[in-house]
Amino acid sequence: DVKVTQSSRYLVKRTGEKVFLECVQDMDHENMFWYRQDPGLGLRLIYFSYDVKMKEKGDIPEGYSVSREKKERFSLILESASTNQTSMYLCASSLVSGGPQETQYFGPGTRLLVL
Amino acid sequence: DQQVKQNSPSLSVQEGRISILNCDYTNSMFDYFLWYKKYPAEGPTFLISISSIKDKNEDGRFTVFLNKSAKHLSLHIVPSQPGDSAVYFCAASSGGGADGLTFGKGTHLIIQP
Repeated sequence: DVKVTQSSRYLVKRTGEKVFLECVQDMDHENMFWYRQDPGLGLRLIYFSYDVKMKEKGDIPEGYSVSREKKERFSLILESASTNQTSMYLCASSLVSGGPQETQYFGPGTRLLVL
Repeated sequence: DQQVKQNSPSLSVQEGRISILNCDYTNSMFDYFLWYKKYPAEGPTFLISISSIKDKNEDGRFTVFLNKSAKHLSLHIVPSQPGDSAVYFCAASSGGGADGLTFGKGTHLIIQP
């Protein structure tokens, strides 16, 4: 069974803090993704990775960075948290690119509040 | 520029009836489409998908129809059940690259008893 886990379900941080969101998948998937979900805006891609140590910017990378040192783990980093980064953060993974194998499987999400 | 559009933010359907959720896209390079279901405070769950070489895919109560010429797809749920109340996201991919999926903004489906 597909399993994507995220380190925290809820997180409260202060403006200016460095924030780490961790995601782990146990399906040996090549691709991993970070999205944020905001009301009325749907899911927006922040960063993705198609291999260890590889990363690509998504649609809204500003204010974020990522790290993928191991295949199963993909971290999202907020270098200096700001209130406009209050959101629901979703991690996903997929086996390969193209066709049915591209189906992405999501973690439960981390709801981040920046005060 | 929104490449995947779900023009109905919400939809209310009576239990037992058919729910039809619509999705339009503008990018003719999209060749794989998915529907996800999301409950509050949970991650999206994959529901059903369709490749551009097909015009219909069915899985139990869920059927997805694709009209390539109109760049339109729809998700039919028959019969609708209370547990179907959720936000449904349409997503599309152009394949050939690990550049993620493009999502619509979602439609909140409410099944009324």
